[in-house]
Amino acid sequence: ETGVTQSPTHLIKTRGQQVTLRCSSQSGHNTVSWYQQALGQGPQFIFQYYREEENGRGNFPPRFSGLQFPNYSSELNVNALELDDSALYLCASSLTRGDEQFFGPGTRLTVL
Amino acid sequence: GNSVTQMEGPVTLSEEAFLTINCTYTATGYPSLFWYVQYPGEGLQLLLKATKADDKGSNKGFEATYRKETTSFHLEKGSVQVSDSAVYFCALRAGGGNKLTFGTGTQLKVEL
Repeated sequence: ETGVTQSPTHLIKTRGQQVTLRCSSQSGHNTVSWYQQALGQGPQFIFQYYREEENGRGNFPPRFSGLQFPNYSSELNVNALELDDSALYLCASSLTRGDEQFFGPGTRLTVL
Repeated sequence: GNSVTQMEGPVTLSEEAFLTINCTYTATGYPSLFWYVQYPGEGLQLLLKATKADDKGSNKGFEATYRKETTSFHLEKGSVQVSDSAVYFCALRAGGGNKLTFGTGTQLKVEL
């Protein structure tokens, strides 16, 4: 059984650009959550998708947006990148809402 | 709002020493509590969990007991190994949603 995968592994962007991060959920999982982990900090919840709809959002501005596809994979889009967006972005999938979350290895985003 | 407070690291121990990492929380209702571990360059892995007061979660020699009276969920291990070196995160999930609220993490270094 394949676990949660994320791409790319690393990414470097400049301020003002836009970025798309991708996540493939574990087989059979219909819920995907995204977290931002700044250096030396714990992960912060960005939002969750359940059956292709947003199902909860953390304290992040609208320039953070997402999508979930019919196969339950997901994208995180960040517009107008700022230096403070530099972080490890973690995706987690679960069988359904409220179940144990399985995390991917993350995408390291650096904004210059 | 919900929050998790962990002891600051790094914690440096000799192999076979006893480990305690303190975790306290603030939450409405009756949250579920978790410990996650993050090895260098990897995503988060669930180490153990407890879903109600007085429950004890355990895994790989690690234990933590859900103490509602002290709002605590301290992580313990009787004899640490070099391979336990990692960052440990305490987290909670409250309100019936899937959002995890994490502490800032505690780095553990175990030396021979």
